[in-house]
Amino acid sequence: GQQVMQIPQYQHVQEGEDFTTYCNSSTTLSNIQWYKQRPGGHPVFLIQLVKSGEVKKQKRLTFQFGEAKKNSSLHITATQTTDVGTYFCAGRQVGGSRLTFGEGTQLTVNP
Amino acid sequence: ETGVTQTPRHLVMGMTNKKSLKCEQHLGHNAMYWYKQSAKKPLELMFVYSLEERVENNSVPSRFSPECPNSSHLFLHLHTLQPEDSALYLCASSQVFSATYYEQYFGPGTRLTVT
Repeated sequence: GQQVMQIPQYQHVQEGEDFTTYCNSSTTLSNIQWYKQRPGGHPVFLIQLVKSGEVKKQKRLTFQFGEAKKNSSLHITATQTTDVGTYFCAGRQVGGSRLTFGEGTQLTVNP
Repeated sequence: ETGVTQTPRHLVMGMTNKKSLKCEQHLGHNAMYWYKQSAKKPLELMFVYSLEERVENNSVPSRFSPECPNSSHLFLHLHTLQPEDSALYLCASSQVFSATYYEQYFGPGTRLTVT
């Protein structure tokens, strides 16, 4: 079955440093979504990427979808303590209906 | 955010108890989901309902029994659980199940502890 893998599993950064999490799928994806879960909270939808090579920005967050539509990344510039949480990618296999979540990257930011 | 609500927020139950988790979505969505989130594990999809019909059941033990009486409500009935069933149970909804481009909206979850 489809697998979606994320690395790293954990990332500790100093406030102001950049952060990147990577998402890789075993199959070609029709789209990929990113979610953020704050400590003690629930996943909240951030963004969706659909096109090959697509890049989208939300303030300090940059999301990329690979040319082959099998990988994606989330980059945060100059992290802040409000960025703390677990970031999940979730993708749908081409022709599939299920959204498969990655294991998530847990980000901690030291002030 | 009050689009998807879940009750109770916390539940402690013994292995011989029977309890139910409730989820309600106020978004007019047609698909609802139950996920299990354990420490150090990815989100595990348990059940999916689309237009009140169960469309996925991912090898979940029979001690978990879902019910979807209408498109706004979803229940998870629990009985004779095991300690390893302790986890955060998340309900989610989306506009449509089979379409590609719809995101999921999650409820706050029920933190379940089985003693």
